[in-house]
Amino acid sequence: DSGVTQTPKHLITATGQRVTLRCSPRSGDLSVYWYQQSLDQGLQFLIQYYNGEERAKGNILERFSAQQFPDLHSELNLSSLELGDSALYFCASSPETTGGQRGYTFGSGTRLTVV
Amino acid sequence: GQSLEQPSEVTAVEGAIVQINCTYQTSGFYGLSWYQQHDGGAPTFLSYNALDGLEETGRFSSFLSRSDSYGYLLLQELQMKDSASYFCAVPNQAGTALIFGKGTTLSVSS
Repeated sequence: DSGVTQTPKHLITATGQRVTLRCSPRSGDLSVYWYQQSLDQGLQFLIQYYNGEERAKGNILERFSAQQFPDLHSELNLSSLELGDSALYFCASSPETTGGQRGYTFGSGTRLTVV
Repeated sequence: GQSLEQPSEVTAVEGAIVQINCTYQTSGFYGLSWYQQHDGGAPTFLSYNALDGLEETGRFSSFLSRSDSYGYLLLQELQMKDSASYFCAVPNQAGTALIFGKGTTLSVSS
């Protein structure tokens, strides 16, 4: 157990639908990051939150949104889903935004399949 | 923006030594990190280099040359369990999030 909890582990949904992925960061970490990993692709940075505020955006589609709540858990909302959105979605947390000597701690991911 | 280049695949046999290279382009440099990911699993942090030189952690070592914008991960005494993907990463320009390379798939055979 890395300390970062992601739910659900698997999600199968139809095109056009909306889903919410949930992440609880490791205790004490204020930064939460969302990454998308498609088949045979690297980790694509989507968005970062720090202590409840959005800090950085990466290649996040307008159909996707996220937020971080006062208890520091975060949710990633994916709407108007397309087949190409099928991927592994990882959440990570860290005490430092650059990773530093402790790095990012990743959750086990949510495997999203859009059919 | 940031970009990282690393080989897509490397193969080796048990007991051997393998080096995975990474070259990066970034407008602001905060350090080079390495992560390991087994198939379908979560990426796990291996090492971080902020200064030039070699950092050793058990069988794994990581090297950085800031003047060459280059680093490598050195894996010694390879074991079958080292078969995985390895990613190098640097922070984005603002230093707020890590940008990852596309990864190198290491296959270790007996």
